Amino acid sequence: GAGVSQSPSNKVTEKGKDVELRCDPISGHTALYWYRQSLGQGLEFLIYFQGNSAPDKSGLPSDRFSAERTGGSVSTLTIQRTQQEDSAVYLCASSSGLPNTGELFFGEGSRLTVL
Amino acid sequence: QKEVEQNSGPLSVPEGAIASLNCTYSDRGSQSFFWYRQYSGKSPELIMSIYSNGDKEDGRFTAQLNKASQYVSLLIRDSQPSDSATYLCAPFGGAQKLVFGQGTRLTINP
Repeated sequence: GAGVSQSPSNKVTEKGKDVELRCDPISGHTALYWYRQSLGQGLEFLIYFQGNSAPDKSGLPSDRFSAERTGGSVSTLTIQRTQQEDSAVYLCASSSGLPNTGELFFGEGSRLTVL
Repeated sequence: QKEVEQNSGPLSVPEGAIASLNCTYSDRGSQSFFWYRQYSGKSPELIMSIYSNGDKEDGRFTAQLNKASQYVSLLIRDSQPSDSATYLCAPFGGAQKLVFGQGTRLTINP
């Protein structure tokens, strides 16, 4: 498709398990963002990529969280040893990457529930 | 101090009236500003962008920017029930990333 694709759309896991969330951005978009949104809350910035590099990882909540992007395209957000407070919707967005371009195109999100 | 501050609401406005949404930001390096709309259970979508001080109009929407006061607002004229959503203010900061406010939940009453 032409939009940002995220998988899985829904993930239920047990506390302590690792999870991987995938994002496939719009073709040609060089910038890719991960945000987290807890129920009734705003968007919490996690990390962004320009190409395969992550200039800003300041939003990652702990060292249990990591992300990578390969080939300037698909990105994976990994959460190790999940905790209940990790339950949220994880949103991925991509943009053209031009300076000051705040036009982000969001995926439908991956809803993570940690039991 | 939060990077971006918005009144969380809920803001209730009668149909046909003007809805006014406000936002302040702390990063003086921000050069561009964006308003996103998020319907319940959906992802955010861009509705307005503004880069210069003053007003920018697009249909029923007007964005206003005052960089000296670090203030940006969104006016929605002739409010419709379909405008009921959460509106997120997002400055594009000097760190080249988009930082979102908590959002203002707007309800338009028929």
